[in-house]
Amino acid sequence: GAVVSQHPSRVICKSGTSVKIECRSLDFQATTMFWYRQFPKQSLMLMATSNEGSKATYEQGVEKDKFLINHASLTLSTLTVTSAHPEDSSFYICSARDRAGRTDTQYFGPGTRLTVL
Amino acid sequence: DAKTTQPNSMESNEEEPVHLPCNHSTISGTDYIHWYRQLPSQGPEYVIHGLTSNVNNRMASLAIAEDRKSSTLILHRATLRDAAVYYCILPNAGNMLTFGGGTRLMVKP
Repeated sequence: GAVVSQHPSRVICKSGTSVKIECRSLDFQATTMFWYRQFPKQSLMLMATSNEGSKATYEQGVEKDKFLINHASLTLSTLTVTSAHPEDSSFYICSARDRAGRTDTQYFGPGTRLTVL
Repeated sequence: DAKTTQPNSMESNEEEPVHLPCNHSTISGTDYIHWYRQLPSQGPEYVIHGLTSNVNNRMASLAIAEDRKSSTLILHRATLRDAAVYYCILPNAGNMLTFGGGTRLMVKP
């Protein structure tokens, strides 16, 4: 099956620093990747849609200057949380859609738990 | 986006079948029905999807009502590893998934 990886799986950082999270599709090409975040005991919230070679589309209420998304290749998208603050502590999850797939199935990464002190 | 309604939680005994319902009365003719599940502290996992006909795969079966206004995910023999939150989702035209609350399935040994 299609595999999506994320790195790191867990990160702890100080307030004010920036953190980069990588999302890779390991055995397929993904023209579109999605970034979600999930707060404790809540459901996933879509943050942005990342298309290879173009600017990401952000959901309402998500600051594009704070959550920088780069999708430079068909297998890699990165999310950088800039000037992180404790309220940014969350579980960040990416997903990817198989470019060659006949369906709209998304394959999810294992998630990155960010803790900002 | 077409909306789905699921029970907040369900319980099952290990080794017994589980039927997880989903209502989607505003579904349109081209909307696929997708099911994902999320185990604790993990990203969601694709389970199954369908359009009109019932579907089977190694993980589960999907029974779709004739009018498509509801569907049921069937786990034929629940195991402890099936304890998760199950999401019934109708992707929108841009393939964006909107996650609702899902159904938290608890499996008792």
